[in-house]
Amino acid sequence: DAGVIQSPRHEVTEMGQEVTLRCKPISGHNSLFWYRQTMMRGLELLIYFNNNVPIDDSGMPEDRFSAKMPNASFSTLKIQPSEPRDSAVYFCASSSLAEETQYFGPGTRLLVL
Amino acid sequence: TQLLEQSPQFLSIQEGENLTVYCNSSSVFSSLQWYRQEPGEGPVLLVTVVTGGEVKKLKRLTFQFGDARKDSSLHITAAQTGDTGLYLCAGAPTSGSRLTFGEGTQLTVNP
Repeated sequence: DAGVIQSPRHEVTEMGQEVTLRCKPISGHNSLFWYRQTMMRGLELLIYFNNNVPIDDSGMPEDRFSAKMPNASFSTLKIQPSEPRDSAVYFCASSSLAEETQYFGPGTRLLVL
Repeated sequence: TQLLEQSPQFLSIQEGENLTVYCNSSSVFSSLQWYRQEPGEGPVLLVTVVTGGEVKKLKRLTFQFGDARKDSSLHITAAQTGDTGLYLCAGAPTSGSRLTFGEGTQLTVNP
């Protein structure tokens, strides 16, 4: 298995631009998680899905952030408009069940200028 | 308040030294997991402990689950520079609830 795939690996954009991060979970996994990691705040859960349905989005910072999972093999995290404080590494992870081992992608390193 | 408290937050030691990091909670967990995250990568699972009092060894790493299943420790013997990374513990307090992560211990092993 290829593991969790994320794209792009790096993104540099200007404040105000729309950013879309993509994730392909491991085939057969039913849960998908989006995290943000910074030095100051550590690993923060933004949102997670079970069977393509958003279960807990309480970690989504504000309305500028949105996430979708149109099918079992694809999810997006969108930031519109982006701000410099959104600069972080964004990880996608998947698991067979929400309480089971999570497998992380390589992350997207986002820099908003 | 963090469900899982990890300590210390930062640890810098010399190669060859021993160290222990801790993961504590007031909640009971059906299991606890330890992950290691190396620079530029995502966290990777090291071990899962499921039974109170359980001890698992992975080469120079020893993991212990507390008897009450509320805490865990990771002990590294004769640390190497390759052990450098962020060590995260994670657990699901009740079956069916999602896995939650602690804030991590950033370990630096100096040559």
